[in-house]
Amino acid sequence: EPEVTQTPSHQVTQMGQEVILRCVPISNHLYFYWYRQILGQKVEFLVSFYNNEISEKSEIFDDQFSVERPDGSNFTLKIRSTKLEDSAMYFCASGGQGFNSPLHFGNGTRLTVT
Amino acid sequence: AQSVTQLDSQVPVFEEAPVELRCNYSSSVSVYLFWYVQYPNQGLQLLLKYLSGSTLVKGINGFEAEFNKSQTSFHLRKPSVHISDTAEYFCAVTRMDSSYKLIFGSGTRLLVRP
Repeated sequence: EPEVTQTPSHQVTQMGQEVILRCVPISNHLYFYWYRQILGQKVEFLVSFYNNEISEKSEIFDDQFSVERPDGSNFTLKIRSTKLEDSAMYFCASGGQGFNSPLHFGNGTRLTVT
Repeated sequence: AQSVTQLDSQVPVFEEAPVELRCNYSSSVSVYLFWYVQYPNQGLQLLLKYLSGSTLVKGINGFEAEFNKSQTSFHLRKPSVHISDTAEYFCAVTRMDSSYKLIFGSGTRLLVRP
């Protein structure tokens, strides 16, 4: 069964550094998402992406965050200047058209900001 | 705005016993409802969803859930659990007119003991 793959599985960075989290969605999917889960807290929606642009974003997704689909396969989340509170598990997800198409999640990237 | 409440942070149960994981939601608009499971070091996997039709929905691994509009609940049940069902279970909702901008509950850890 096709999978959403995320790299790296664990990223450690220093405060103020830029990080790029990478995702390869399922190949025929059209909708792409990033979620995050701070340790011990809820999974939170960050952003959705369709047709090469952001379709929705949450309050968390401020100017420090950006997403890109630089080629036909990758979907990236960039955090420009990381803060301690950005430490979390970041999940990429992809889906087809409509809710009858299930949302597939990757295994996540654990980001640790020191 | 939507919100999801999972009152039980942890549910211990013996193997082969029945289990119910509770989920209540709040929304001023119509929503779709989902249950996801997360095994250790993995992403979120869809167990089942309610979009429309019969209020009793069956999912993978023998789980089922019942949508109760009057009580704004979507409780998850399994008549006989296995050790392998030990995992974190998340209830989630999204607006019908939205994409997969899922609002998650805080999760319930199901701990199945032999």
